[in-house]
Amino acid sequence: GENVEQHPSTLSVQEGDSAVIKCTYSDSASNYFPWYKQELGKRPQLIIDIRSNVGEKKDQRIAVTLNKTAKHFSLHITETQPEDSAVYFCAAYGGSQGNLIFGKGTKLSVKP
Amino acid sequence: ETGVTQSPTHLIKTRGQQVTLRCSSQSGHNTVSWYQQALGQGPQFIFQYYREEENGRGNFPPRFSGLQFPNYSSELNVNALELDDSALYLCASSLDVTSGVSSYEQYFGPGTRLTVT
Repeated sequence: GENVEQHPSTLSVQEGDSAVIKCTYSDSASNYFPWYKQELGKRPQLIIDIRSNVGEKKDQRIAVTLNKTAKHFSLHITETQPEDSAVYFCAAYGGSQGNLIFGKGTKLSVKP
Repeated sequence: ETGVTQSPTHLIKTRGQQVTLRCSSQSGHNTVSWYQQALGQGPQFIFQYYREEENGRGNFPPRFSGLQFPNYSSELNVNALELDDSALYLCASSLDVTSGVSSYEQYFGPGTRLTVT
């Protein structure tokens, strides 16, 4: 079945710097890759997603890239702000299991 | 915030007991998925319901069962609770999952924090 690896597990950046989180997946049939942001004690919130027919998608300070050949996708946050501090999860969907498989998360800390 | 709600917010149960958690999906969403999120981990897929029938199951034992109702609500039932069942239980609703990739977006409820002692 699908397996999603996420790196790094923790990431600390200075306010205004960029942050990059990387994920790899194993099932080539997966065709949908969302990213969720989870603040302490709150629900995972969908922040951006990408379909397998697209290589890059951008929404203001957030962008996601997908390399289907290498089976990896990345989240890029530019001009980070303290309110970006949270745990970020990548996920893959649409493989043989037909459900979301999540990575283990990246705890992002943005220092003012 | 999404239109997905869950109850109760917190729950404490004793090992061996049974528990029922409830979810109300976003209006118009006929697919609901349930996840278990242990502390410090990503959500793990339990099962999915589509039009009131189970439509996929993760690696969870049969003592985890569910129901989906026509009014966009659903339940997760766990029998014979074990200490390792302590976790945040999340439901997520989505549009008709059979409509293809355009309906894959899942919106999570706030979760139920279950503690088993």
